Amino acid sequence: GAVVSQHPSWVICKSGTSVKIECRSLDFQATTMFWYRQFPKQSLMLMATSNEGSKATYEQGVEKDKFLINHASLTLSTLTVTSAHPEDSSFYICSARGGGTTDWDTQYFGPGTRLTVL
Amino acid sequence: QKEVEQNSGPLSVPEGAIASLNCTYSDRGSQSFFWYRQYSGKSPELIMFIYSNGDKEDGRFTAQLNKASQYVSLLIRDSQPSDSATYLCAVRIYNQGGKLIFGQGTELSVKP
Repeated sequence: GAVVSQHPSWVICKSGTSVKIECRSLDFQATTMFWYRQFPKQSLMLMATSNEGSKATYEQGVEKDKFLINHASLTLSTLTVTSAHPEDSSFYICSARGGGTTDWDTQYFGPGTRLTVL
Repeated sequence: QKEVEQNSGPLSVPEGAIASLNCTYSDRGSQSFFWYRQYSGKSPELIMFIYSNGDKEDGRFTAQLNKASQYVSLLIRDSQPSDSATYLCAVRIYNQGGKLIFGQGTELSVKP
């Protein structure tokens, strides 16, 4: 149980285009989903927290107009990188929380999406 | 002072030995503690979580929590080369919307 999927697993795009990444909780309802970014050899950096049906809460320094987050249902959250530039190239990972009665507190991670902007 | 601190390593242990990974945290409001393993190029996977002081065992893994000392550790018994990865300590702090604060991770290398 507690499986989280992401799509696509990797994407290459041209500078200036927008890219949408989907995060789905497959076997549980996720009350909260989180989006992280990770650069090579660095730790996870939380970008934003999203709760179903409400606006995402962004971490300091993260541009909300550039990284659009939509949490339309208890099993789906999307991250759209708008007008992507090469410096946005990174490993984007989502996590979902709310997996069960005993581990409601635990975040389960998706497999990640590797974005390369040319 | 970082909120969650880990030695970056690398920590090198021989196969079959016990690997000991340590983590300290600064906020006494921390409530839940997690250990994740991350292989190179992959996303983190949960190893275990601990909420109460003391030890919690799951197979070859034991998490130890000491809230008075603000210290959490992970022991890996009978270490295998497949355990070679980066281990992330994460802490959930009360009243911060459920988000986790991650340490920088400790790179573990298990030598055959």
